[in-house]
Amino acid sequence: AQKVTQAQTEISVVEKEDVTLDCVYETRDTTYYLFWYKQPPSGELVFLIRRNSFDEQNEISGRYSWNFQKSTSSFNFTITASQVVDSAVYFCALLYSSASKIIFGSGTRLSIRP
Amino acid sequence: DGGITQSPKYLFRKEGQNVTLSCEQNLNHDAMYWYRQDPGQGLRLIYYSQIVNDFQKGDIAEGYSVSREKKESFPLTVTSAQKNPTAFYLCASRSTQSGVYNEQFFGPGTRLTVL
Repeated sequence: AQKVTQAQTEISVVEKEDVTLDCVYETRDTTYYLFWYKQPPSGELVFLIRRNSFDEQNEISGRYSWNFQKSTSSFNFTITASQVVDSAVYFCALLYSSASKIIFGSGTRLSIRP
Repeated sequence: DGGITQSPKYLFRKEGQNVTLSCEQNLNHDAMYWYRQDPGQGLRLIYYSQIVNDFQKGDIAEGYSVSREKKESFPLTVTSAQKNPTAFYLCASRSTQSGVYNEQFFGPGTRLTVL
């Protein structure tokens, strides 16, 4: 089976706390790509990051960081020192090499309280 | 500016009427997709197209139809057969060429309300 699981339906933290969004994927392919998207209240999905299966280096972009671990089939997303503007729904997604469409997880709704 | 446009942003229709949602992209992407999102829910794939004049059903195609006569355009028609059409509709596109970034880019969406 090829699927993406985001077990956390909703997370609520106070501003300035660190928060990690979990993503677990399943695929039989050895070549695949993982993505994270942000959906703010306006509705449009914004692309955040792409990772391919051959690159397990963690990535940091400002307050955002991503931890890709093939051993646990996880691609977790951490926001450091969260801000109210980070409030959104976040989707993890998978594209395996033989696929014609991206598989999305069910999303995690993140609320940052002032 | 390169991107995906969807129009209109808000659309109201009476029950029983067909309605067509527009999606245009100038990213030169081969593949285009339509998703439906209900409040508080994830994305569900309606239809997708890998190439002009060809398209495939997604997970919830019943009550919808599409066409792909031009690479840039992938309109979605919500027919009267769709039992509960009120939702947020998102269009997306991506490149399928090897060696090119392959993430999907999304349009701003259309909120359809059927009265």
